[in-house]
Amino acid sequence: DTGVSQDPRHKITKRGQNVTFRCDPISEHNRLYWYRQTLGQGPEFLTYFQNEAQLEKSRLLSDRFSAERPKGSFSTLEIQRTEQGDSAMYLCASSLVRGQAGELFFGEGSRLTVL
Amino acid sequence: AQTVTQSQPEMSVQEAETVTLSCTYDTSENNYYLFWYKQPPSRQMILVIRQEAYKQQNATENRFSVNFQKAAKSFSLKISDSQLGDTAMYFCAFVGTYKYIFGTGTRLKVLA
Repeated sequence: DTGVSQDPRHKITKRGQNVTFRCDPISEHNRLYWYRQTLGQGPEFLTYFQNEAQLEKSRLLSDRFSAERPKGSFSTLEIQRTEQGDSAMYLCASSLVRGQAGELFFGEGSRLTVL
Repeated sequence: AQTVTQSQPEMSVQEAETVTLSCTYDTSENNYYLFWYKQPPSRQMILVIRQEAYKQQNATENRFSVNFQKAAKSFSLKISDSQLGDTAMYFCAFVGTYKYIFGTGTRLKVLA
């Protein structure tokens, strides 16, 4: 068990470009979450998956954001036509849920800087 | 809507002293869980302690304990014998069915 891993750890891009982040959760975990965290703030919920199904998407996520979790394993978060306001740390977390909420295990995050 | 409020943006404590971080939340649910997470500088978030709402007994993990007041919707974290390694952001979090809601955090600095 290597924990939750995220790639890339840092991404610098120009406004208008597309970026994609990848998250590999802990292998047996059935839930996967994406959060966004800006400096000095707490994580804000973006979306979550139960296995391969995306069950909720926050209103924070505009149409430029899309997330997938094919086959219920790794997940990707894509941001199209990036804007400077997208600059943030994007956190992935996973948990194993058997009827009750479990502990969230976080990755180290992917930091996005949009110039 | 559920909310989590941490009213102390920053706190400091002398090494070996005790400090209490505050957290209040709002929910209409009866079954839920509360967590305290620690985020050291430039490192990932890790769980400090968790509390099930149906349990009256306050959770304890070594030097960390909580004061859970369900009626008041209060969930404070007490750190005893503070160590330099406790310096971090601390986030209070609530989860009902599936969505984890985090507070804005308290930056704790332990002074030598």
